[in-house]
Amino acid sequence: DAGITQSPRHKVTETGTPVTLRCHQTENHRYMYWYRQDPGHGLRLIHYSYGVKDTDKGEVSDGYSVSRSKTEDFLLTLESATSSQTSVYFCAIRASGGTYEQYFGPGTRLTVT
Amino acid sequence: KQEVTQIPAALSVPEGENLVLNCSFTDSAIYNLQWFRQDPGKGLTSLLLIQSSQREQTSGRLNASLDKSSGRSTLYIAASQPGDSATYLCAARAGGTSYGKLTFGQGTILTVHP
Repeated sequence: DAGITQSPRHKVTETGTPVTLRCHQTENHRYMYWYRQDPGHGLRLIHYSYGVKDTDKGEVSDGYSVSRSKTEDFLLTLESATSSQTSVYFCAIRASGGTYEQYFGPGTRLTVT
Repeated sequence: KQEVTQIPAALSVPEGENLVLNCSFTDSAIYNLQWFRQDPGKGLTSLLLIQSSQREQTSGRLNASLDKSSGRSTLYIAASQPGDSATYLCAARAGGTSYGKLTFGQGTILTVHP
């Protein structure tokens, strides 16, 4: 499982509240990613990080921000949650070496009411 | 913009059958292609990765092929078992970008019945 954990695993929150999801990895991988998975849309990249304090936007970044102050932790924040952000969120890392193979965490199911 | 399509969307087969899952992509300038398995309520498990310079990769009963020129990859599962029931996803990795953006297909839901 490449040593990836996500917390919380499930969360229900109200519209307008801020929410932070955490991804933790134990193997010092440089690249980390946040995806969301929705029926009919598949998996889509939200943000990614290529090092401590180095982050960039993916294809569906509006309404989300990220931070990476330590190699092992990548945080995803919903500044003001909306119902359209109800989804399953996956964190991933890119393995070291030349294959660029990605490994995924177990996911966080977020419901915004 | 890369688009990845998986056909069929769902497949139901009896145990023991050999089967093929299809993945097509519109931009052939990929770095590699990765196949995943996802069980209900779970994360993605990496099955096979094929580099753009390779034609196929094998792992146990799984064989994945890649034809860049036609924009196609197939996942062959031999002697299917009920435990193979899951959603299978393919993802094409963009070439020329250091962060290795993955574009996913919608997946094929496989059911293998005893």
